[in-house]
Amino acid sequence: AQSVAQPEDQVNVAEGNPLTVKCTYSVSGNPYLFWYVQYPNRGLQFLLKYITGDNLVKGSYGFEAEFNKSQTSFHLKKPSALVSDSALYFCAVRDGWGEAAGNKLTFGGGTRVLVKP
Amino acid sequence: AAGVIQSPRHLIKEKRETATLKCYPIPRHDTVYWYQQGPGQDPQFLISFYEKMQSDKGSIPDRFSAQQFSDYHSELNMSSLELGDSALYFCASSLVEASGSISEQFFGPGTRLTVL
Repeated sequence: AQSVAQPEDQVNVAEGNPLTVKCTYSVSGNPYLFWYVQYPNRGLQFLLKYITGDNLVKGSYGFEAEFNKSQTSFHLKKPSALVSDSALYFCAVRDGWGEAAGNKLTFGGGTRVLVKP
Repeated sequence: AAGVIQSPRHLIKEKRETATLKCYPIPRHDTVYWYQQGPGQDPQFLISFYEKMQSDKGSIPDRFSAQQFSDYHSELNMSSLELGDSALYFCASSLVEASGSISEQFFGPGTRLTVL
């Protein structure tokens, strides 16, 4: 079984300040980890992924995430937040075991980010 | 760049009616996924298809069925609709790469189903 936890329902940050959205995961095999962002009444937009390799992953719009195996975490970060980053952020995991095709993503509960001017 | 297309974008049905949602994946993508997102909820996996065969199954009710066609588009058929089926239904697609590397799923804009 695989699961994802996003411990914060909402994160408030001032524009220009660093932004961190927390995510921890649980899988039986090697984790494949993803971050998506959702704007109101829109689909999920891919930000970045960790499959293997460097623990620090860089993605779209200045976002990055750090994979920490010992803490089973994959926190999303942005050094300087923008008002336009205000949205709902989802962490997701895919178990590395099993067939490569069609494996489901399991999402965390989502974290609402509010960046204030 | 081409994205995942879903139709219709909005659908209103009465209880016990049927609904069909369509998904057109990104060209050359061979895998399609369906997710259901209730109000204030995270997306929940329903079912997926790879090369027209069901590849994984989640919490999809028996009243729902889906398939992937020869042109890789997919349809989610929902019967005996209930009030609780009101949700945003997402389709996503991905490509199984020859190297075996894992590609991300690209999501469509969703179909908002309202059951009255």
